Amino acid sequence: ELKVEQNPLFLSMQEGKNYTIYCNYSTTSDRLYWYRQDPGKSLESLFVLLSNGAVKQEGRLMASLDTKARLSTLHITAAVHDLSATYFCAVSDFGNEKLTFGTGTRLTIIP
Amino acid sequence: DAGVTQSPTHLIKTRGQQVTLRCSPISGHKSVSWYQQVLGQGPQFIFQYYEKEERGRGNFPDRFSARQFPNYSSELNVNALLLGDSALYLCASSVTSGRTYNEQFFGPGTRLTVL
Repeated sequence: ELKVEQNPLFLSMQEGKNYTIYCNYSTTSDRLYWYRQDPGKSLESLFVLLSNGAVKQEGRLMASLDTKARLSTLHITAAVHDLSATYFCAVSDFGNEKLTFGTGTRLTIIP
Repeated sequence: DAGVTQSPTHLIKTRGQQVTLRCSPISGHKSVSWYQQVLGQGPQFIFQYYEKEERGRGNFPDRFSARQFPNYSSELNVNALLLGDSALYLCASSVTSGRTYNEQFFGPGTRLTVL
């Protein structure tokens, strides 16, 4: 059974600082997703990573994938308050669309 | 283009009742998946339907059922509601199903409260 673990679960950081969220998964997968969720809202797609070594960046967020280590990272650069949200990584099995989500990282940016 | 739509937005039921949640995918999308998100946790996969056929089922009891209609919209039914069924139910749609990469787009969700 595919398992996905994120750490940390909670992250409180000051504006302007850098930090990284880690996502480990248990078995080989061909797709790794990062989503953002604001309180009471649905999931917003941030990144889709499809191959080993893939790196994608959007604004202050950068995601990378190491399929050999079964590890993805979401790096936050010079955090701003608007980035406060819960971030999920998710992995899909080969050949189907079932997403297995991590536990989420609740990020709070302090002014 | 309109995104994934779900109805109702909120729903309050009592234990033992039955509930039906509805989802309309993005136009042109043929695959619909359902997820349950309990407060403070990540979404859990319930079902996937493609071209009206069930393509995947998560670890949920038989009280949960779903179907997909010819226009690709979908319904999720939950019978004999339990307090633990209280959650945000998310619907996601994608263009196709199978080995090719298809990004899933999530709807706003239905918040179900069971009293």
